[in-house]
Amino acid sequence: DTAVSQTPKYLVTQMGNDKSIKCEQNLGHDTMYWYKQDSKKFLKIMFSYNNKELIINETVPNRFSPKSPDKAHLNLHINSLELGDSAVYFCASSQGGVGGDIQYFGAGTRLSVL
Amino acid sequence: EDQVTQSPEALRLQEGESSSLNCSYTVSGLRGLFWYRQDPGKGPEFLFTLYSAGEEKEKERLKATLTKKESFLHITAPKPEDSATYLCAVQGSGSGNTPLVFGKGTRLSVIA
Repeated sequence: DTAVSQTPKYLVTQMGNDKSIKCEQNLGHDTMYWYKQDSKKFLKIMFSYNNKELIINETVPNRFSPKSPDKAHLNLHINSLELGDSAVYFCASSQGGVGGDIQYFGAGTRLSVL
Repeated sequence: EDQVTQSPEALRLQEGESSSLNCSYTVSGLRGLFWYRQDPGKGPEFLFTLYSAGEEKEKERLKATLTKKESFLHITAPKPEDSATYLCAVQGSGSGNTPLVFGKGTRLSVIA
């Protein structure tokens, strides 16, 4: 069983569209994260949720809205997609509070905005 | 602001040629330093966590060490399957929730 799974793996869309990426973890962890990895492979935190509560919200455009229906799921919705949003988005989870504990990553969603 | 700098950006080794990757960091109190491996098209895979200066951890051909300013990932007699990007990340012990801050990684290629 995949511990942290993301769907879709690839997402190709036009500028201005709205899209969602889903993430699920079956590790029983309390904390989940969204990271963005740009073309230079730089991995940067976007959001973190602990038990469905938003605890980290880095400087991210408000077109990005995370939603956590339960502690095993953290989805990312993106409105009005722009060319600069093209990147690989990773979901991760950890047992304890933010950081400190080992974070387990999904395989990533490669978003291409045309 | 917490920062991580990794060097070199890319490293090409012959099979069996040992070397080290460097991770320099500045952080307001270190809560943990993490090493991850990332294969193309995949998510980062956890390797080690180090918490205090002087600490060392080993796994197969890899050994991670930590000082107050940097960490090294030593690779002994590497094999082609060790080819990957190695990421270093730190977490500071600032107030509130502090996220992991990643370096840009070192892309390692091991040639048979």
